[in-house]
Amino acid sequence: EAAVTQSPRNKVAVTGGKVTLSCNQTNNHNNMYWYRQDTGHGLRLIHYSYGAGSTEKGDIPDGYKASRPSQENFSLILELATPSQTSVYFCASGPGYNYAEQFFGPGTRLTVL
Amino acid sequence: AQSVTQPDARVTVSEGASLQLRCKYSSSVTPYLFWYVQYPRQGLQLLLKYYSGDPVVQGVNGFEAEFSKSNSSFHLRKASVHWSDSAVYFCAVSPNTGANTGKLTFGHGTILRVHP
Repeated sequence: EAAVTQSPRNKVAVTGGKVTLSCNQTNNHNNMYWYRQDTGHGLRLIHYSYGAGSTEKGDIPDGYKASRPSQENFSLILELATPSQTSVYFCASGPGYNYAEQFFGPGTRLTVL
Repeated sequence: AQSVTQPDARVTVSEGASLQLRCKYSSSVTPYLFWYVQYPRQGLQLLLKYYSGDPVVQGVNGFEAEFSKSNSSFHLRKASVHWSDSAVYFCAVSPNTGANTGKLTFGHGTILRVHP
């Protein structure tokens, strides 16, 4: 069954540490996205990708990097984690081109102490 | 730039009652429009989408939405809600042309609580 999976599902990190969130999709979609969800803000786009090797900045990219080594995998990297990055992070994939719908993973709850 | 407003942060209804969740968008052209649902501790699931054509679109679990170009709205409706419909509902828009097709802008969500 086609799906978007994320790992880890929960993560506790220390301030200043490096955090990598991973996403894998079996939808064979070109586009992948990283969002964070915070109360009062809905979902906000951090980075996205049109395909392997490509990454683009979203609306709130500061403090985050992204990596798309293959069609299936898209990582979000926090080089120096801060408490303000405590949030729930969602990955999504979408076919792109003329199709705009996205399919979401289950989320990763990140706490930075 | 696009934006989405969901004017009702919380809606409470009784089981069996009808439901309307409101969504207003701002866009220079008619965008693609979506409704997503999020159950507790889960990711977002696509309920329905509007690309073009018939302004009333059907989705899963008895949901439908109506696009109104004159009102810049895409309201979600259900004739009779069930307690299991309790969740957070998000309206989202995407450009319908160009490189940003698929780049969604979300509203802040409406928390729906259905009394059993």
